[in-house]
Amino acid sequence: GQQVMQIPQYQHVQEGEDFTTYCNSSTTLSNIQWYKQRPGGHPVFLIQLVKSGEVKKQKRLTFQFGEAKKNSSLHITATQTTDVGTYFCAGQKAAGNKLTFGGGTRVLVKP
Amino acid sequence: NAGVTQTPKFQVLKTGQSMTLQCAQDMNHEYMSWYRQDPGMGLRLIHYSVGAGITDQGEVPNGYNVSRSTTEDFPLRLLSAAPSQTSVYFCASSYLGAGTGELFFGEGSRLTVL
Repeated sequence: GQQVMQIPQYQHVQEGEDFTTYCNSSTTLSNIQWYKQRPGGHPVFLIQLVKSGEVKKQKRLTFQFGEAKKNSSLHITATQTTDVGTYFCAGQKAAGNKLTFGGGTRVLVKP
Repeated sequence: NAGVTQTPKFQVLKTGQSMTLQCAQDMNHEYMSWYRQDPGMGLRLIHYSVGAGITDQGEVPNGYNVSRSTTEDFPLRLLSAAPSQTSVYFCASSYLGAGTGELFFGEGSRLTVL
């Protein structure tokens, strides 16, 4: 079945530094979504990428969809304490509607 | 707007008991789904539905039943609870366009099976 892997599992970041989390699918995706879950909360939608090679920015967050539509990345610049949480990618295959989530990257920020 | 509402928020069961987790959405979303999240783990899809009367299995369907009699409601039934089903359960809904759109999640239901 479809597998979505995320690395790293944990990311300890000094406040002000940049970091990137990566998402890899075993199959070609029709689209990929990113979510953020604060500690004790529920996942909240960040963005959806649909086109091959697509790059989207939200303030300090940059999302990229690979050319082969099998991988994606989230890059955060100038990390702030508000960035603490777990970031999930979720992939959808062309046929069907299931969204398969990766294991998440848990981000801890050191002030 | 209430969005996606899950009840109960907390539940403790004994092994072998049955129960139903309720999920309701008021956004007229076609797509509804149930995920479970174990400590330090990602979200694993249990069951999903693309409309009233239509349900399908996700990655971890064993031990759970669902039904979708209305667009608004998508209850999740645990037939005979086991300690392995201790988890946080999230219901999520979405519009269906070219695929599944942005998922709106409920607050979660924390289940402990003793």
